[in-house]
Amino acid sequence: SAVISQKPSRDICQRGTSLTIQCQVDSQVTMMFWYRQQPGQSLTLIATANQGSEATYESGFVIDKFPISRPNLTFSTLTVSNMSPEDSSIYLCSARDRASYEQYFGPGTRLTVT
Amino acid sequence: AQSVSQHNHHVILSEAASLELGCNYSYGGTVNLFWYVQYPGQHLQLLLKYFSGDPLVKGIKGFEAEFIKSKFSFNLRKPSVQWSDTAEYFCAVISNNAGNMLTFGGGTRLMVKP
Repeated sequence: SAVISQKPSRDICQRGTSLTIQCQVDSQVTMMFWYRQQPGQSLTLIATANQGSEATYESGFVIDKFPISRPNLTFSTLTVSNMSPEDSSIYLCSARDRASYEQYFGPGTRLTVT
Repeated sequence: AQSVSQHNHHVILSEAASLELGCNYSYGGTVNLFWYVQYPGQHLQLLLKYFSGDPLVKGIKGFEAEFIKSKFSFNLRKPSVQWSDTAEYFCAVISNNAGNMLTFGGGTRLMVKP
């Protein structure tokens, strides 16, 4: 299994600012992902973080709003840019084990935009 | 559209009652099926998974799920729930027909009354 940590665990931000969330995995994993969980809702995939290249975004999510980096196999960042109250959510980092297809999740970053 | 459906959004049970949570998916192709649990204030955790073989899979804490291919279903069961099972439960699917991305159902919030 993989243990995933995220920083910060929560933040309160002002409209128009940006926040970068860091994700660290304790082992080398094939794939890393970023999800969003809006209040009272399920998880929605934002993008797949690709090592050394641009992330692959799902429909409805764009690089200008959610730039993602993955400089190596165990670390990724997600930036939420030019934030608005609608961006208030929990953002979760996830990683998948190549051999087992099992996918693990970090504790999430609870973002509140005022 | 391809999707994962959980029919029960909220379930309230008394301790020792039996539990069955429905999950249906609309993906074709080869599917890998999961149930995740999110206890209040905690990480999302993998409860059980089905990749192949015996369609009845057993997970942690006495949970089991049955894959019925003809019904596109993967229902979660537990014969006797405990107060500590109070949590939100998510069904999720990876399909090779959908880019091998983990897609979640809407979640079922279970409350077990002591």
